[in-house]
Amino acid sequence: KAGVTQTPRYLIKTRGQQVTLSCSPISGHRSVSWYQQTPGQGLQFLFEYFSETQRNKGNFPGRFSGRQFSNSRSEMNVSTLELGDSALYLCASSLDRGAKNTEAFFGQGTRLTVV
Amino acid sequence: ELKVEQNPLFLSMQEGKNYTIYCNYSTTSDRLYWYRQDPGKSLESLFVLLSNGAVKQEGRLMASLDTKARLSTLHITAAVHDLSATYFCAVVRLRTYKYIFGTGTRLKVLA
Repeated sequence: KAGVTQTPRYLIKTRGQQVTLSCSPISGHRSVSWYQQTPGQGLQFLFEYFSETQRNKGNFPGRFSGRQFSNSRSEMNVSTLELGDSALYLCASSLDRGAKNTEAFFGQGTRLTVV
Repeated sequence: ELKVEQNPLFLSMQEGKNYTIYCNYSTTSDRLYWYRQDPGKSLESLFVLLSNGAVKQEGRLMASLDTKARLSTLHITAAVHDLSATYFCAVVRLRTYKYIFGTGTRLKVLA
């Protein structure tokens, strides 16, 4: 069974550009969450999507957005990149939001470097 | 707001020694997870703890949960080099389904 797949694995972008990251969840999983990991702030929740709807959002500026498609694949977009956006972006998928199926499985992440 | 504190941040220990990593959280949560992360890699799930008094063990690692104290521990027994990694605890409230992670403990086991 394939795990959570994130593409690309590495990205280098220039300040002011925008970037789109992709996440394919485990087959059958309907919930996708995104996290940002930096040395200074640790792992921080960005947002969660379930059945194509954003269900929860973390404390990030509006430059960070996402969406989920009917096949549960998700993308996140960061516009007007800043140096501080350099981070490892992790995607996690889980079966659904029910009490017995909340365990999240994480992808390998996308390492974004903003120069 | 739910906050998670983990200590120590760094831990250097000799092979064969025992040690404990602590995870405190500020309000009630529905689930507590422990993850392992190797450099440049993703998060690997180690344990999920669901209720007060829960204890789980896998190899040299044992995790426990005290919901009254809002404390979870990850105990390492007779450490080996392969356990070198960063360990995170995370709590989640099902209502929001948002994982709140601790700061992580970077463990280095010296041969």
